[in-house]
Amino acid sequence: SAVISQKPSRDICQRGTSLTIQCQVDSQVTMMFWYRQQPGQSLTLIATANQGSEATYESGFVIDKFPISRPNLTFSTLTVSNMSPEDSSIYLCSVEDRGGSSYNEQFFGPGTRLTVL
Amino acid sequence: KQEVTQIPAALSVPEGENLVLNCSFTDSAIYNLQWFRQDPGKGLTSLLLIQSSQREQTSGRLNASLDKSSGRSTLYIAASQPGDSATYLCGIKEAAGNKLTFGGGTRVLVKP
Repeated sequence: SAVISQKPSRDICQRGTSLTIQCQVDSQVTMMFWYRQQPGQSLTLIATANQGSEATYESGFVIDKFPISRPNLTFSTLTVSNMSPEDSSIYLCSVEDRGGSSYNEQFFGPGTRLTVL
Repeated sequence: KQEVTQIPAALSVPEGENLVLNCSFTDSAIYNLQWFRQDPGKGLTSLLLIQSSQREQTSGRLNASLDKSSGRSTLYIAASQPGDSATYLCGIKEAAGNKLTFGGGTRVLVKP
């Protein structure tokens, strides 16, 4: 199964600044997903990132606010731009991969806990 | 649009009691359903994956069932332990390569 790491694990930022979150996978995967989990809430998909093409954003999320890079099959970055306190969340990277079974399973990174002051 | 609901939102049981967590969904045309565990401030750990064609999956003390016709999945945790305290999330995938749609989660506390 895929092993996913994220950097940074947490950060405290000032409003108006930007933070880039890195996601590294130990195997090549076609699709990578970026989710947001606001305090006390469940997960919401921000965008799907495929290597070699523009990311596909969900309703309510735009590229100017959350630019994504996917330079190769094992790495992606998510930038949270011009941050406000409402952006305080856990940001999670996820991939689809064959787990212990023969089926496609979703795996998640440890998350990046962002606090915006 | 798929909507996923988890009831109850929170659950507190004494150690040793069996846990029953529910997940309901509105659209039965699913690809698979996954149960996850999340510890506070952490990422998600996959517990069980049930494909659309399957009725249940088991791993150790965990058993998950799937009834597409009624739009329900149930996660059973036998003989609960304090280490089972966490939030449990169900996520539904409607097609291969697509996103997961999550329920709100059930926060479980197992008291020693």
